Amino acid sequence: DVKVTQSSRYLVKRTGEKVFLECVQDMDHENMFWYRQDPGLGLRLIYFSYDVKMKEKGDIPEGYSVSREKKERFSLILESASTNQTSMYLCASSLFGLAVTGELFFGEGSRLTVL
Amino acid sequence: EDKVVQSPLSLVVHEGDTVTLNCSYEVTNFRSLLWYKQEKKAPTFLFMLTSSGIEKKSGRLSSILDKKELFSILNITATQTGDSAVYLCASRDSNYQLIWGAGTKLIIKP
Repeated sequence: DVKVTQSSRYLVKRTGEKVFLECVQDMDHENMFWYRQDPGLGLRLIYFSYDVKMKEKGDIPEGYSVSREKKERFSLILESASTNQTSMYLCASSLFGLAVTGELFFGEGSRLTVL
Repeated sequence: EDKVVQSPLSLVVHEGDTVTLNCSYEVTNFRSLLWYKQEKKAPTFLFMLTSSGIEKKSGRLSSILDKKELFSILNITATQTGDSAVYLCASRDSNYQLIWGAGTKLIIKP
């Protein structure tokens, strides 16, 4: 079974702190994604990566950066956390282009609260 | 602007009832529509629909796409408490990006 692991399930941080969210997948998938999920809104794409060291901005990249140094690991970085970044963050991966199977495999989410 | 709208936003039914969840889309160069189920954890894939009028079925769940009227429905028959979840719909555009609806929260009462 494909497994996408987000190491931190719940985090509480203070405004201005630097935050790292880690995501690891074990199926050698090329594509990895970071979404945030807020009540009443659909999943919104922050960044995605289709290869090691490659990254593309999604719909809401402001205030975030990412790192993909190894194929299996995709990190989301909040350089200076703000209260409006309080959210559920979901990592996902997929094989090849999405056109092949359509299926994204999601991690269980990291719920971040910024005080 | 591309968008996906799901309705209703929430729904409460009794166990054994049949429910229909709706997903309408306005997406440039539509490619496919996907359904996911999200319990209190990772969303899990249900269906991908690309062709109009062809029903996809998995157990008590089924889904169909209407590319003329730009919508999809997800049906769940003989609902069980384990069907309680948020059901997410997403549409893929020609750039293979996904546009997500806000989800329908389904609660099944025993």
